[in-house]
This record gives sequence, C-alpha cells and structure tokens, in this order.
Amino acid sequence: DQQVKQNSPSLSVQEGRISILNCDYTNSMFDYFLWYKKYPAEGPTFLISISSIKDKNEDGRFTVFLNKSAKHLSLHIVPSQPGDSAVYFCAAQTSGSARQLTFGSGTQLTVLP
Amino acid sequence: EAGVAQSPRYKIIEKRQSVAFWCNPISGHATLYWYQQILGQGPKLLIQFQNNGVVDDSQLPKDRFSAERLKGVDSTLKIQPAKLEDSAVYLCASSLWGGKEEQYFGPGTRLTVT
Repeated sequence: DQQVKQNSPSLSVQEGRISILNCDYTNSMFDYFLWYKKYPAEGPTFLISISSIKDKNEDGRFTVFLNKSAKHLSLHIVPSQPGDSAVYFCAAQTSGSARQLTFGSGTQLTVLP
Repeated sequence: EAGVAQSPRYKIIEKRQSVAFWCNPISGHATLYWYQQILGQGPKLLIQFQNNGVVDDSQLPKDRFSAERLKGVDSTLKIQPAKLEDSAVYLCASSLWGGKEEQYFGPGTRLTVT
C-alpha cells in the first residue's frame, strides 16, 4: 500500500517556465512533508519542507503548497533552470516518537534549454 | 561541514554471499537511518537508530539483514546470505535529533547480486 504517491514518473518543461510536481498521500498521521532532489549517483538532497499547520512555504525559486483536505502537495519551481533537471522525491513524516519518513516513487524533471 | 560518508560505493556479489556496508554520519547527529532504494522506487526505511539504540526496524528483513551502531557514531549494515532481490542502492542518512527536520543522505552503495 503506497502511502505517498507521485503519479507522474516524468515531466519536461522549457527553461524559464514553471515546473509543477505533484504528490498525494493517504495517511492522516503525516504531519511534516519534505521534497528531495536527486542527481544520478548521488544521495537525495533536501530541498524544502512544510509542516501540516501551514499551507505554503517558500524558499527562493521553490514553493511548496499543502492542501490537507485533499491530501495533496505540490512543488513549484519558478523559473525553471536546466540545473534543476533531476529526480524529485516527495516524502512525508508521521507524528510520534519514531517519525518515520515515507517516500514517493519520484518524478524525473527535465528542463529543456 | 563533512557530509554523510558511505563505503563502498559499488559492490557486486553472487547470491548466497555476504556483504557489509559502512556509514559515518555527520558529526553530532544522534539519529542514523539505513534505506533501501530499488530501481524506479523511492527509498524505503530499513532501520533507524537513536544514538546506539534501535528506534524502528519494522521493515528490516531480520532473517538476513542486520545492522549495528555500537558507539553511537558510525554504523554497518550486513546482508547474509544475499538474494537477487537485494540488488538496490543502500542509502545512509543522519539527522540531528530525529524530529521534524531534514535528513542528510550519503551517496549510497549500489549493490548488484548475480
């Protein structure tokens, strides 16, 4: 049972345009959400996070939106740059002492020059 | 600040052989995680340590996988005996205290079981 789903395995965007990556979750116990970026042969790198008490968090070109009623979050990258081409993972953390992180399957973003 | 170190980076073994991976977390990080990432999937948590104690190992196949973090710093993950389906990237991550915070990942060890 996939608790965190990224339904788009790939996305191509023109340089300078907006990239929107989507993520859906099913577990109501998730209270903290993170986006990671992964280049080939490297480990995932933290990008941005959002707590369940917020609906938006911004960091430079990256903005994460959380819609708790729809159990949906999205990552917006504006403007997109060729260096943003990577696999993006959505991850969610459960409340409680262990705070296990559950990842989606990832979306390959390609930004075309 | 040095990142999470892992070795080896690549390993090829035959099924039924054993293998061990090593991880050194970021200095001062109390929490250490081992993940398994199968091709085309997201990382899946195998085990989580808080200092030298196990917090969660519910997804660790304990009949063949073992992990330890004896002095609360570096850690080893062992597979014995390996199966074909163990072919994956094994990622180590660490975080300051295991709460609402980001985890920092190492580069991973790519294991191929033939």
